[in-house]
Amino acid sequence: GAGVSQSPSNKVTEKGKDVELRCDPISGHTALYWYRQRLGQGLEFLIYFQGNSAPDKSGLPSDRFSAERTGESVSTLTIQRTQQEDSAVYLCASRKTGGYNTGELFFGEGSRLTVL
Amino acid sequence: QQQVKQSPQSLIVQKGGISIINCAYENTAFDYFPWYQQFPGKGPALLIAIRPDVSEKKEGRFTISFNKSAKQFSLHIMDSQPGDSATYFCAASTARGYSTLTFGKGTMLLVSP
Repeated sequence: GAGVSQSPSNKVTEKGKDVELRCDPISGHTALYWYRQRLGQGLEFLIYFQGNSAPDKSGLPSDRFSAERTGESVSTLTIQRTQQEDSAVYLCASRKTGGYNTGELFFGEGSRLTVL
Repeated sequence: QQQVKQSPQSLIVQKGGISIINCAYENTAFDYFPWYQQFPGKGPALLIAIRPDVSEKKEGRFTISFNKSAKQFSLHIMDSQPGDSATYFCAASTARGYSTLTFGKGTMLLVSP
């Protein structure tokens, strides 16, 4: 499809393990965001990539969290030494930039992470 | 300064009624205010957005009312339908660059048949 694709859709892991979550943005969208959504909570900003600029990492909750993006394509969010409080849905969104830009974020369906 | 406060946390409305969700912000640099709708198991999707140069924007049954002096904005859903049952998030950012949207905590709306 033409939407934002995230994988895996569900991940169950044991405390202390590392996990990698993948996001494939809409083609041509240069801006990419990761948000975290805990049960019953709002969307918590994690990190923002815009083209070749340095990413805005101001929302990453600890140094166990990191993210990479190759050019204007796929991004991976890595959580090292997972803790139970990392259990959440991790949402990726992309946005078109340049030209007529409404600012709309297009979200994927999320990766649900459960840390046992 | 970055917080967006949303209320109520949950809302039950009868079919055909009006649903009203309110948000307040502190950062006067915010000048873009979207509302996102999220169905269970799905990512949020943009519903409607407003900039502070107008006090109201209407799209179908959905209306945003904006009060710049009070730093508040609200979503009104007229003739609410069971299919509107979802979680609604208000958000705010500076339109210049749209770099980071700050979201409210969400309102779970249930429209009873």
